[in-house]
Amino acid sequence: GNSVTQMEGPVTLSEEAFLTINCTYTATGYPSLFWYVQYPGEGLQLLLKATKADDKGSNKGFEATYRKETTSFHLEKGSVQVSDSAVYFCALMAAGNKLTFGGGTRVLVKP
Amino acid sequence: NAGVTQTPKFQVLKTGQSMTLQCAQDMNHEYMSWYRQDPGMGLRLIHYSVGAGITDQGEVPNGYNVSRSTTEDFPLRLLSAAPSQTSVYFCASSYSIDSGIGNTIYFGEGSWLTVV
Repeated sequence: GNSVTQMEGPVTLSEEAFLTINCTYTATGYPSLFWYVQYPGEGLQLLLKATKADDKGSNKGFEATYRKETTSFHLEKGSVQVSDSAVYFCALMAAGNKLTFGGGTRVLVKP
Repeated sequence: NAGVTQTPKFQVLKTGQSMTLQCAQDMNHEYMSWYRQDPGMGLRLIHYSVGAGITDQGEVPNGYNVSRSTTEDFPLRLLSAAPSQTSVYFCASSYSIDSGIGNTIYFGEGSWLTVV
């Protein structure tokens, strides 16, 4: 079956540091890949997505590139802010609009 | 533009009680689904619906019932709550599955349920 593995947190960073959250997947076919973000006490928001190999999704300074050869979709941001503190979920959609999620990575950015 | 609306946001239940989590969307989406979120496990699919009158089971359906009498609404019922159902529940919706890959899924703000 499909699965998503992402690095466990929490990840603690200082403001303006570089953030990387690793995500790898297993899926049949050619899934679409997503990053969702959950701010404290809130629901999930779509952060970015990529629908085919070598696509780069980007939003709010975050980027992730769909790497079919390594089955990865790592999330990066060059300079984090305190407001980026949240839980980040990597997910894939193989068919039928059903999402398979990773376990989530909590990120804490300190001033 | 309300999007996906869930109620209630917080609920405490006693073991054995029943309740319904409400979900409504105003985007005319055919596809709706329910997920539960547990620490370290991400979100797992409970039930989903591809249109009014059609529902199907997801990864963790036991203990939950759903129905889809209208396009807009997709309630989740707990018939006899158990402590193992303590979780955060998210309703989600999207356009038709016909195009399959790449449809954006919109989530509600979540319902925090505690079963004591």
